Parts: sequence; structure tokens; C-alpha cells
Amino acid sequence: DTGVSQDPRHKITKRGQNVTFRCDPISEHNRLYWYRQTLGQGPEFLTYFQNEAQLEKSRLLSDRFSAERPKGSFSTLEIQRTEQGDSAMYLCASSLPRTENEQFFGPGTRLTVL
Amino acid sequence: GESVGLHLPTLSVQEGDNSIINCAYSNSASDYFIWYKQESGKGPQFIIDIRSNMDKRQGQRVTVLLNKTVKHLSLQIAATQPGDSAVYFCAETDGTYKYIFGTGTRLKVLA
Repeated sequence: DTGVSQDPRHKITKRGQNVTFRCDPISEHNRLYWYRQTLGQGPEFLTYFQNEAQLEKSRLLSDRFSAERPKGSFSTLEIQRTEQGDSAMYLCASSLPRTENEQFFGPGTRLTVL
Repeated sequence: GESVGLHLPTLSVQEGDNSIINCAYSNSASDYFIWYKQESGKGPQFIIDIRSNMDKRQGQRVTVLLNKTVKHLSLQIAATQPGDSAVYFCAETDGTYKYIFGTGTRLKVLA
């Protein structure tokens, strides 16, 4: 257990539905990251927050995706109008301010879109 | 674009033997490298890291070697145990916050 928690751990939804995932980082970590991982692949960067500011969004993050970190603590990732191609593991990580600091990953949320 | 890749998708080793997992990276500007272990259904777990000003770093039963000339990274696991069975990823960053991961190598430890 790294101290990063994610909820839910598994989500099954029908195509076209909206889903929201939550990430609670390690409390003193001000950097928070979202990654997506498909089967057999390494995690792919989606977006990054420093405190409450979203500083970068990958081109993988279409306009159906939105992430927030309203108080600089927990973060949510919402996917609207889900598609089958959204099926993946969504990972959250957090780290201290230095760029070299280890990113601690949560257990992930496994999304299956039927 | 710049990417990190792995040579072997699956590696099988006998319990007690040493394991070597390799990784090639292409971004010469990358200055920090990390190895992660991922067990089924879990998030990646940090194993060891190395900065570009180092060639070798040792941890408990693990050693990471960095060859910047050929842009090659390796993870050595001594006396491999059944609990080492997992997928191993290398990741790189060029001094920013963004990690670029390779596709992973599955390590299978045979009893």
C-alpha cells in the first residue's frame, strides 16, 4: 500500500454513460498525476496537477475527459459519454514537488465499457 | 515521439537465479530513470531509480545499470524469488514531471 487510494477499484458501465473516479493522494504530496494503462502496455500520461492547478493535459485526454482537484487534495477524473475504447486501468499517482521525486501510484480503477 | 521500450516481453528464470531485464530509451535528454514492478491488479510499485550522472545503483537484491552511450538501462535481480514474478516497467523523464513508460517485461519465476 503506497498511501494513494482510488475509488472505485472496478467500474462496469454501458457505452454512453458518464463515470467519475476519485483519487486521494498522499497528504503531503502537492503533485498529482493521472495515467491510463491498457492491457500489456505501460501507463500513459493523461494529466498533471500541482496543488489545484491543472498544468498539462495529454492529447490523449479528449474533450469527453475532465479532471479536477478543487482544493489541492483529492482529484476526480470524469469521462462523459463513455466509449468501448475507454476501457482501461486508470491510475493516479502523487509526488512531492521535486521533479526527481518518485511518483507513488494508487491501485487503479479498472473501467470496462460494455 | 520519444519513447522507452523493452527488448523482451517475457522472461522466465529459475528460482534462485539472477534476472536481467533490459530497456532501451531514445530521448537523450532524459536524466532520470525509474524501474517499477506491477503485480496483477495492482498499481506500479517503485523498485529503484537512477540519475543520468550515475552508471550504477544498488538496492536490496536489485541493481540498475545505465549506459548513456547506447541509451540502455537494465535491472538486475539477484536470487530471484517467486514473489518477484510481475511485470517490470522502466520509465524515463527529462527533468519534467512526466514519466514515459515502456511496454513492460513479464518476469516468470519457475520453481
